[in-house]
Amino acid sequence: GENVEQHPSTLSVQEGDSAVIKCTYSDSASNYFPWYKQELGKRPQLIIDIRSNVGEKKDQRIAVTLNKTAKHFSLHITETQPEDSAVYFCAAILNNDMRFGAGTRLTVKP
Amino acid sequence: DAGITQSPRHKVTETGTPVTLRCHQTENHRYMYWYRQDPGHGLRLIHYSYGVKDTDKGEVSDGYSVSRSKTEDFLLTLESATSSQTSVYFCAIRPGGEETQYFGPGTRLLVL
Repeated sequence: GENVEQHPSTLSVQEGDSAVIKCTYSDSASNYFPWYKQELGKRPQLIIDIRSNVGEKKDQRIAVTLNKTAKHFSLHITETQPEDSAVYFCAAILNNDMRFGAGTRLTVKP
Repeated sequence: DAGITQSPRHKVTETGTPVTLRCHQTENHRYMYWYRQDPGHGLRLIHYSYGVKDTDKGEVSDGYSVSRSKTEDFLLTLESATSSQTSVYFCAIRPGGEETQYFGPGTRLLVL
């Protein structure tokens, strides 16, 4: 099955700086890559996604890039704010099976 | 929140007892999923359903069974709970025509 690795496991940045989280996947047939944000004690919430036929997608301060050849995709958050502090999960979907990375705990220090 | 509820939200049980968790949705979505979330593992798929009485195993299905007798309800059963099944359990739905999954609020299960 698909295997997704996510780095780093923890990330601390100053407010206003950028944050980058990287994921790799193993099965080149995976075709959909969502990112979820999970605040403490809450459910994972979709923040952005990308399909395999697209190289980059942006939504305000959040962007995701996909390199199909290298089988990796990244989440970029610019101008970070304290409310961006949370755990972020990447995922890859293949044949109705969504595999998650282990998560990145992002802390934005004011 | 995609009209998903889970019950109970918290449960403490003893090793060897059966436990059933319920996921309820109000929007007639065909696809429903059960995940468990543990530190260092992200979320892992237990079972999923693609329609009434149609279910399939996920990555970590051992020790779990599911049933879906109505479109709106997807039940997860631990036949004989073990301490290794202490976890947070999330249900998810996938709207038709989308690949995105949306999660319920979760059930925190502690097996003593």
